[in-house]
Amino acid sequence: AQSVAQPEDQVNVAEGNPLTVKCTYSVSGNPYLFWYVQYPNRGLQFLLKYITGDNLVKGSYGFEAEFNKSQTSFHLKKPSALVSDSALYFCAVRDYRASGGSYIPTFGRGTSLIVHP
Amino acid sequence: NAGVTQTPKFQVLKTGQSMTLQCAQDMNHEYMSWYRQDPGMGLRLIHYSVGAGITDQGEVPNGYNVSRSTTEDFPLRLLSAAPSQTSVYFCASSYRDNYQETQYFGPGTRLLVL
Repeated sequence: AQSVAQPEDQVNVAEGNPLTVKCTYSVSGNPYLFWYVQYPNRGLQFLLKYITGDNLVKGSYGFEAEFNKSQTSFHLKKPSALVSDSALYFCAVRDYRASGGSYIPTFGRGTSLIVHP
Repeated sequence: NAGVTQTPKFQVLKTGQSMTLQCAQDMNHEYMSWYRQDPGMGLRLIHYSVGAGITDQGEVPNGYNVSRSTTEDFPLRLLSAAPSQTSVYFCASSYRDNYQETQYFGPGTRLLVL
């Protein structure tokens, strides 16, 4: 089974400060990890993903995420937040295995990021 | 490419009515899926398909049917609408190739069941 947890419903940060949105996961095989962003009244947009390779993944709009296998985490980060980063952020995981894995990712409940001017 | 398209954008139904939410993609993606988004619940998977003619249930399939007769289309049918089905519905598609795996989402359909 695969699952993902986003422990914070909301994250508040001042513009220009670094931001972190937390995500932890659980899988039986290898994790494929994703971050998506949703702006109001829009569908989700892909930000970045970890499949294999470097633990630090860089994505769109200056966001990055670090895969930590020992802590089963994949936190989203940005060095300097912008007001325009305010949105709903979703972490997702897919359990990849040679046999018995999942085809479709499971999404977390989402974290609302609010960046104050 | 138009990407993933969904129709209608908004729909009001009365309890017991049936309807079909349409989803189409022009990227030749093998995988397609339907999610519902509810406040505090995130995205929950309703049904998915790994190719034409192949569908399977997700986390919350009750009250919904799907079919995949072509690669492009993946309609979601509400058999007898209930107020609990009031939600925003998103269709998504992706390649089967693991290294290209990214979900492309449609703009969503807002459904209100009275």
